[in-house]
Amino acid sequence: KQEVTQIPAALSVPEGENLVLNCSFTDSAIYNLQWFRQDPGKGLTSLLLIQSSQREQTSGRLNASLDKSSGRSTLYIAASQPGDSATYLCAVSGEGKSTFGDGTTLTVKP
Amino acid sequence: DVKVTQSSRYLVKRTGEKVFLECVQDMDHENMFWYRQDPGLGLRLIYFSYDVKMKEKGDIPEGYSVSREKKERFSLILESASTNQTSMYLCASSSGGGRAPYNEQFFGPGTRLTVL
Repeated sequence: KQEVTQIPAALSVPEGENLVLNCSFTDSAIYNLQWFRQDPGKGLTSLLLIQSSQREQTSGRLNASLDKSSGRSTLYIAASQPGDSATYLCAVSGEGKSTFGDGTTLTVKP
Repeated sequence: DVKVTQSSRYLVKRTGEKVFLECVQDMDHENMFWYRQDPGLGLRLIYFSYDVKMKEKGDIPEGYSVSREKKERFSLILESASTNQTSMYLCASSSGGGRAPYNEQFFGPGTRLTVL
């Protein structure tokens, strides 16, 4: 059974700092990994999708990497801003289903 | 942009009522999903559909049913609402179809359901 872990559960940083969020998974037989952002009381917003054949994806200040063999992905956020404050979730998709992590709640202080 | 809409942001129902949650997507996606999200338990898949009239049970289908009569619309039905079904319900869609691995999933804004 696939298990997805995100550590730390919460992170607080000053504005402008570069930061890394971690996602680990137990079964490397995945087809893709997706990073989401969730604001309080809202739905999930897709940030980046990495197919299993890819090593990384970039969108603006965000860069996500995938190391399938070690069961790890990282989401790098450059020059963090207060508007980046949210919960970030990763999800891995394997045969027939997606498994979500519990998320890392990020607070960026002005 | 992909748009997934849900019929209500907030809903309050009584125990034993039949509850309908509606989800509509405008990107002609084959796959649609219903999840619930609870603190400490994360997102859990209730049902998904990979084509019109096709459905498969997810991890926690008990107490729920679904309907997909049109490609763009996927309904979640709570046959007899109970207090343990108080939760945030999230609908999602993705392209693909069949039981192929999921492509990028797009989520709706969620429905916060309270059952009294």
